[in-house]
Amino acid sequence: GNSVTQMEGPVTLSEEAFLTINCTYTATGYPSLFWYVQYPGEGLQLLLKATKADDKGSNKGFEATYRKETTSFHLEKGSVQVSDSAVYFCALNAGGTSYGKLTFGQGTILTVHP
Amino acid sequence: SAVISQKPSRDICQRGTSLTIQCQVDSQVTMMFWYRQQPGQSLTLIATANQGSEATYESGFVIDKFPISRPNLTFSTLTVSNMSPEDSSIYLCSVEGGWSNYGYTFGSGTRLTVV
Repeated sequence: GNSVTQMEGPVTLSEEAFLTINCTYTATGYPSLFWYVQYPGEGLQLLLKATKADDKGSNKGFEATYRKETTSFHLEKGSVQVSDSAVYFCALNAGGTSYGKLTFGQGTILTVHP
Repeated sequence: SAVISQKPSRDICQRGTSLTIQCQVDSQVTMMFWYRQQPGQSLTLIATANQGSEATYESGFVIDKFPISRPNLTFSTLTVSNMSPEDSSIYLCSVEGGWSNYGYTFGSGTRLTVV
């Protein structure tokens, strides 16, 4: 079946540090890949997405590249801010009969200190 | 992208009772999805709701416990029945946002506490 594995958290960084959150996946076919963010007390927001191999999704300074050869979709940001403190979820949609259904990783808690 | 209004935003319920959660979308969508997020956990798909047909449930979820209605293309409800403390979770609805749009959009969630 489909699955998503994220790096263990929580992750604690100082402001302006470089961020990487690893995400690898298992899926049949060619899934679409997503990063979602959940700020404290809020719902889930789409951060970025990539729909085919070598696509790079980007938003708000965050980037992730769809690497089919390594089945990965790592999230990066060059300089984090305190306001980036949130839970980050990697997710995939396998398409076909799974259209619309998302499979999520376990989430990574990020805390950024001033 | 679609805008979803979900309510209630939170509730505290007595065990043995039921709660119905509503999701209203500002545009017509074919499929709506209901997820559960248990405390400190990731999201798990409960069921897919299509208008005009019975919902399709994922493994581990049954209609008697989580009945779903989908009366039209903009609205759906999820009922959590005969609640126990183990049902304390955040419940979220989601719709497809379209490939040229913003992926899959989620409601703001219903934070349920069963006491």
